[in-house]
Amino acid sequence: DAGVIQSPRHEVTEMGQEVTLRCKPISGHNSLFWYRQTMMRGLELLIYFNNNVPIDDSGMPEDRFSAKMPNASFSTLKIQPSEPRDSAVYFCASTSRTGGTDTQYFGPGTRLTVL
Amino acid sequence: GIQVEQSPPDLILQEGANSTLRCNFSDSVNNLQWFHQNPWGQLINLFYIPSGTKQNGRLSATTVATERYSLLYISSSQTTDSGVYFCAGRGEYGNKLVFGAGTILRVKS
Repeated sequence: DAGVIQSPRHEVTEMGQEVTLRCKPISGHNSLFWYRQTMMRGLELLIYFNNNVPIDDSGMPEDRFSAKMPNASFSTLKIQPSEPRDSAVYFCASTSRTGGTDTQYFGPGTRLTVL
Repeated sequence: GIQVEQSPPDLILQEGANSTLRCNFSDSVNNLQWFHQNPWGQLINLFYIPSGTKQNGRLSATTVATERYSLLYISSSQTTDSGVYFCAGRGEYGNKLVFGAGTILRVKS
């Protein structure tokens, strides 16, 4: 398996622009997570989905952030409008919650810089 | 929610040395996992260890769930072990993993 795939790997944009991050989870995994990592706040969970349904979005910082999972093999995280404080590395992770284990597998991350 | 405390916050080792990293939880957790983030930023799952002991090569982990802590042992450290080690757990009634702040490890040759 190719693992969790994220795109783009790097994104540089200007304040006010819309940013869309993409994630393809590991085939067969039924849970998907979006995390943000910064020096100040560490790793924070933004939102997660079970079977394509958003379960907990309490970590989404504000209305400028939205996430969708239209099918089991694709998810997006959108920031509109972007601000410099959104600069961070955004990770997507997936897991299979069947079988009693819940090991999370992370993608390579998208490094976002908002100027 | 649960609080996750990792110690030490950073550590410098000479190649070949052994080390123990610790993770304490404020409340009962399940789904305890250890991760390594390498210098290129990739997060790799090392262990899924809600209780007991597991070993994988030079790494091993022990979780004592009743006392709310977990330990990660690194033996005969190598420069490639450098990076940040995170532990994470899910509270008994929680839905999501909570991560510690990490231990920054640097192994010198």
